[in-house]
Amino acid sequence: RKEVEQDPGPFNVPEGATVAFNCTYSNSASQSFFWYRQDCRKEPKLLMSVYSSGNEDGRFTAQLNRASQYISLLIRDSKLSDSATYLCVVFTSGTYKYIFGTGTRLKVLA
Amino acid sequence: NAGVTQTPKFQVLKTGQSMTLQCAQDMNHNSMYWYRQDPGMGLRLIYYSASEGTTDKGEVPNGYNVSRLNKREFSLRLESAAPSQTSVYFCASSVSNQPQHFGDGTRLSIL
Repeated sequence: RKEVEQDPGPFNVPEGATVAFNCTYSNSASQSFFWYRQDCRKEPKLLMSVYSSGNEDGRFTAQLNRASQYISLLIRDSKLSDSATYLCVVFTSGTYKYIFGTGTRLKVLA
Repeated sequence: NAGVTQTPKFQVLKTGQSMTLQCAQDMNHNSMYWYRQDPGMGLRLIYYSASEGTTDKGEVPNGYNVSRLNKREFSLRLESAAPSQTSVYFCASSVSNQPQHFGDGTRLSIL
């Protein structure tokens, strides 16, 4: 089993739609969680950190479920510019390692 | 504020040649990382340096060496390049459990 798993997609959604991605992780000792966005093999860029209480940044909402060991990303009112690959990242304290999922590809269609 | 700077951005090598990829960060981060990303695949950790003076192997270290020259700089060396090392290489830095910051990447082709 991979340490961090994501549905690769692609998720094809119309503009204005709401779309949600999940990511599961296997190490229950994991402490920090992030969503990154990556465009066409450019460098990953931080979208948002994921906090235990859940957090929102504009159209984006991230949630953490420690009991079931998954994090989620919700995108509301999708824009064409949201088309990208979304990477789930998990950090376990003491290992210094960030474990990346393989990414979920999103295509927002006009 | 440059963040994480990688050089070169592009490189073409012949099989058997050697080269060093350079990475520097100006954010006073303790930890630095080298990843490779192949088409259709996620980021794979090659080596990392948790702090100045230390380096450790990641998931795919074979064929690579690293040097943490000082707190700012972390270089990746290919001693004898092979076509299987054709990839995009990303350097990243971070503080403890905070988000990583990435460089623009080096696109390396080995013929």
